[in-house]
Amino acid sequence: DVKVTQSSRYLVKRTGEKVFLECVQDMDHENMFWYRQDPGLGLRLIYFSYDVKMKEKGDIPEGYSVSREKKERFSLILESASTNQTSMYLCATFHRLGEQYFGPGTRLTVT
Amino acid sequence: AQRVTQPEKLLSVFKGAPVELKCNYSYSGSPELFWYVQYSRQRLQLLLRHISRESIKGFTADLNKGETSFHLKKPFAQEEDSAMYYCALSGRGYSTLTFGKGTMLLVSP
Repeated sequence: DVKVTQSSRYLVKRTGEKVFLECVQDMDHENMFWYRQDPGLGLRLIYFSYDVKMKEKGDIPEGYSVSREKKERFSLILESASTNQTSMYLCATFHRLGEQYFGPGTRLTVT
Repeated sequence: AQRVTQPEKLLSVFKGAPVELKCNYSYSGSPELFWYVQYSRQRLQLLLRHISRESIKGFTADLNKGETSFHLKKPFAQEEDSAMYYCALSGRGYSTLTFGKGTMLLVSP
């Protein structure tokens, strides 16, 4: 059974703080993704990684960075959190035939 | 550029009624289309993919390249079908997906 875990279910941070969101998978999948999910906007791809230390920008990378030092771990970093980054963040891995496995999500509130 | 459009934010039906969630796409190549579903307090998960031509939980979806559509259908809706449904397209490489904005399906008793 594929497991994609995210470090926190709920997170509250202050404007300007540096925020780390962690994602860990146990299936040895090469491709990992970070999305944000907002009502009325759907899922938007922030960054993805296709190998260790490799990363590509998605559709909305501004204000974010990522780190992939180990194959199983993909981190999303908000260098200086802002209120417009309040959102649900979803991590996913690619399985096969277009199927992505999603984590439970981290609901981030920036005050 | 590739794009997925789901025109309805909310679709409300009664139990036993037919359901059709609309999805249109824009893509220059040969797309792979998917439907993902998120039930309340659960993870987003794959419902079905067009290449499998399968029926999952009574849902089917047919890819119509002429109309660039991939509508999700079920003849008789059940209350447990209430969820958020996302249509997604794969085509940019690296197994990335482009998602639509989602349609919330509410099935009332």
